[in-house]
Amino acid sequence: AIQMTQSPSSLSASVGDTVTITCRASQDVRNDLGWYQQKPGEAPKLLIHATYTLHADVPSRFSGRGSGTDFTLTISSLQPEDFATYYCLQDFNFPRTFGQGTKLE
Amino acid sequence: QVRLVESGGGVVQPGGSLRLSCAASGFSFSQFGMHWVRQAPGKGLEWVAFIWKDGSSEEYLDSVKGRFTIARDNSKDTLYLQMNNLRADDTAVYYCAKDMWELIAGLLDYWGQGTLVTVSS
Repeated sequence: AIQMTQSPSSLSASVGDTVTITCRASQDVRNDLGWYQQKPGEAPKLLIHATYTLHADVPSRFSGRGSGTDFTLTISSLQPEDFATYYCLQDFNFPRTFGQGTKLE
Repeated sequence: QVRLVESGGGVVQPGGSLRLSCAASGFSFSQFGMHWVRQAPGKGLEWVAFIWKDGSSEEYLDSVKGRFTIARDNSKDTLYLQMNNLRADDTAVYYCAKDMWELIAGLLDYWGQGTLVTVSS
């Protein structure tokens, strides 16, 4: 199975900051990668698919980059509602595998 | 809008069985593959299983192969997860999720709110 390694595991930031989360795949996944946001007690929400394509109604302050094995999620001008846990997920093959998560606080 | 509602969770003893259901609405259920994902208390997300839109094929996490079976009834717009020989490390919130593409298997775009399965004696 492809291993997805996220860093950092936690990140401290303030409203208005710009933050970047990294996800590294153990093998080439082309651009078959997405990012999810999860708030406590809620289901995850899809933010980005195919590395950089925003899902419906996702604000443009979220952006994704990368290809192959190295990917990033950047959140510009942090808003209060952005403090959550973020996960990457590869859809290159089965089993689907998530990163371990990055808690933004 | 897309709505997914899981049910069937509860407390079960090790070695026991449970069947989860996921009622879908707001989209053409029979046109999309479906997934199950779980999250142990305080832990990250773990993909569990996938079934193609017509039920012709399935994929599983290695640790659940031979114990869990994903199935669907397109006439009832319902997804299932039959879980047998449950272990303590199966304890988690189980989410059903819709695949985002009709013709290929991709990411999970809409999720239910989850149902908690607790395996304990």
